[in-house]
Amino acid sequence: QSVLIQPPSASGAPGQRVTISCSGGSSNIGRNTVTWYQQVPGAAPKLLIYSNYQRTSRVPDRFSASKSGTSASLAISGLQSADEADYYCAAWDDSLNTVLFGGGTKLTVL
Amino acid sequence: QVQVVESGGGVVQPGRSLRLSCEVSGLMFSAYGMFWVRQAPGKGLEWVAVISHDGGETYYADSIKGRFTISRDNSKNTLHLHMNSLRLEDTAIYYCAKGPGTFRLVSLDYWGQGTLVTVSS
Repeated sequence: QSVLIQPPSASGAPGQRVTISCSGGSSNIGRNTVTWYQQVPGAAPKLLIYSNYQRTSRVPDRFSASKSGTSASLAISGLQSADEADYYCAAWDDSLNTVLFGGGTKLTVL
Repeated sequence: QVQVVESGGGVVQPGRSLRLSCEVSGLMFSAYGMFWVRQAPGKGLEWVAVISHDGGETYYADSIKGRFTISRDNSKNTLHLHMNSLRLEDTAIYYCAKGPGTFRLVSLDYWGQGTLVTVSS
């Protein structure tokens, strides 16, 4: 089963800005909305972003996201140690009739 | 407040069956699509199955198609995952998650704590 492509790791110093990419195809990101999840070790995933760029109410505006064509990205500015987590993108695939998750990006705050 | 609570995990031998359950409270369960997502030890998230709000549509990951069945009982606010012919590679934490009314939007806003399924001889 195909997946959405994310870099396995990302890092930044406190206060810096980091971007995580998510690459898909015409039948998934190209046609459907992208969601982003944050998962800290030992906890369930948490919804961060839905409908490509909409933040949930609990998510600070340091987190932003966008989508263009068959790719999406998540940006985190003003990095904090609490942001250390795994980040996953997800989208529905119209051709496969499945949910696709990215492989996840482990964010390290240096 | 919304609560999502899974149960039914445990240790099972290869080839055997197991049924997971997920009780949801604090919202109108029958209005939302529901998902199962799993995570093998040290691995990323893997979508398993989704069921529409009324149970009329179900979709499955290729890795479990024909072996697992998702179902729901809206009268009891409960979601199930019937797992047959379990394999070693099915070992994972299984999460139940609430989706939107239109499940293809894949915005899973409430998750359970997960239930561990270990397939081992």
